[in-house]
Amino acid sequence: DIQMTQSPSSLSASVGDRVTITCRASQSINNWLAWYQQKPGKAPKLLINKASTLEAGVPSRFSGSASGTVFTLTISSLQPDDFATYFCQHYHSYPWTFGQGTKVEIK
Amino acid sequence: EVHLVQSGAEVKKPGESLKISCQASGYSFAKWWIAWVRQMPGKGLEWIGVIYPDDSDTKYSPSFQGQVTISADTSIDTAYLQWSSLKASDTAIYFCARREASSHMRYWGQGTLVAVSS
Repeated sequence: DIQMTQSPSSLSASVGDRVTITCRASQSINNWLAWYQQKPGKAPKLLINKASTLEAGVPSRFSGSASGTVFTLTISSLQPDDFATYFCQHYHSYPWTFGQGTKVEIK
Repeated sequence: EVHLVQSGAEVKKPGESLKISCQASGYSFAKWWIAWVRQMPGKGLEWIGVIYPDDSDTKYSPSFQGQVTISADTSIDTAYLQWSSLKASDTAIYFCARREASSHMRYWGQGTLVAVSS
């Protein structure tokens, strides 16, 4: 099984800050990676697929990048609506696996 | 518009059986894979498995193989997740989601809370 190691598990940031979350895959996944945002009591929301393709309607302050087996989600200027938990997920092969999640909290 | 509507919260005792549902609308249900995902209280997301409703081809995570059964009924555009004997450790929110052509999950159900307690 492919393991996804996500870091940090939590972070505190202020509105306007640049935030970076990282996921590392245990082997090559050919950029078959998605990022999701989840708010308490809600279903996950797809932000990015194929490592860097922004979903329609997702603000452009969100971006994804890849370098080998290391994937990054960047929020260029954190907004109040962005305080949530973020998960990466690979879909290279079964079984799909998620990262452990990163909780973004208000500083 | 694609919608996935899940059945309501369940409170069960250990050893009981349960089947929760995910009803799809707005697209051709039989032709798109449906995935199930678990979220235990205060924890992350875990992929359970997927089903292709048209032929009931099913893939399970090794962690869930033999613990749950995924099925689908194309006559009523509904996917199911079922347990034959619940355990307290099955307490979680369960989500269904549609697998897109590239395999990410864009459309999600609202989640079903399953609480198992004696």
